[in-house]
Amino acid sequence: QSVLTQPPSASGTPGQRVTISCSGNSSNIGFNNVNWYQQLPGTAPKLLIWSSYQRPSGVPDRFSGSKSGTSASLAISGLQSEDEADYYCAAWDDSLNGVLFGGGTKLTVL
Amino acid sequence: EVQLLESGGALVQPGGSLSLSCAASGFTFSNHAMIWVRQAPGKGLEWVSSVSGSGERTNYADSVKGRFTISRDNSKTTFYLQMNSLRAEDTAVYYCAKGGITETRGSWFDSWGQGTLVTVSS
Repeated sequence: QSVLTQPPSASGTPGQRVTISCSGNSSNIGFNNVNWYQQLPGTAPKLLIWSSYQRPSGVPDRFSGSKSGTSASLAISGLQSEDEADYYCAAWDDSLNGVLFGGGTKLTVL
Repeated sequence: EVQLLESGGALVQPGGSLSLSCAASGFTFSNHAMIWVRQAPGKGLEWVSSVSGSGERTNYADSVKGRFTISRDNSKTTFYLQMNSLRAEDTAVYYCAKGGITETRGSWFDSWGQGTLVTVSS
């Protein structure tokens, strides 16, 4: 059972804005940055957002990250069919002295 | 271009051992933490272990602590995961990944290998 809690699914229509939440506690998100990964079907994960807000080069600015207290969110605006994937949040946990992943959110573009 | 190439995945019996390797290229290897992440069939991502750029610091998930050992050889730009006392629940695709910073704590994973399948079954 993941300590980082994500909704198992999310959906939207092309062009819409969708947000995916990630809830933790003071041992992880409360004092550490959050990273987001996208995993397209049948492929390796890809870094989408690092240090809660930063976008790697090549990631469209339609993707944005935010963090407040012990929660974080990934927002996708101008939803496209190719955004259909699994999305995972992750953060360092000071109690476990290791990395926690959220359970993942499967995004469906209707 | 960063490249990470895993090898060593196989079918192994419960209680057996296996060693995974990840050969890296395209960046200054010793400046980056390296990480193993696994994904059981149909399941989410699970962090397994990290090693700092120098190799001095290692971290393990509770589920593998005492059974798995991570190490690296900066002269060969390769890092490893020695897996002992394997269990059925260790069955997964194992991905190697490159850390964004030297240290393990707080690092993001900015490049990933294609994964190697480990199956633990009799």
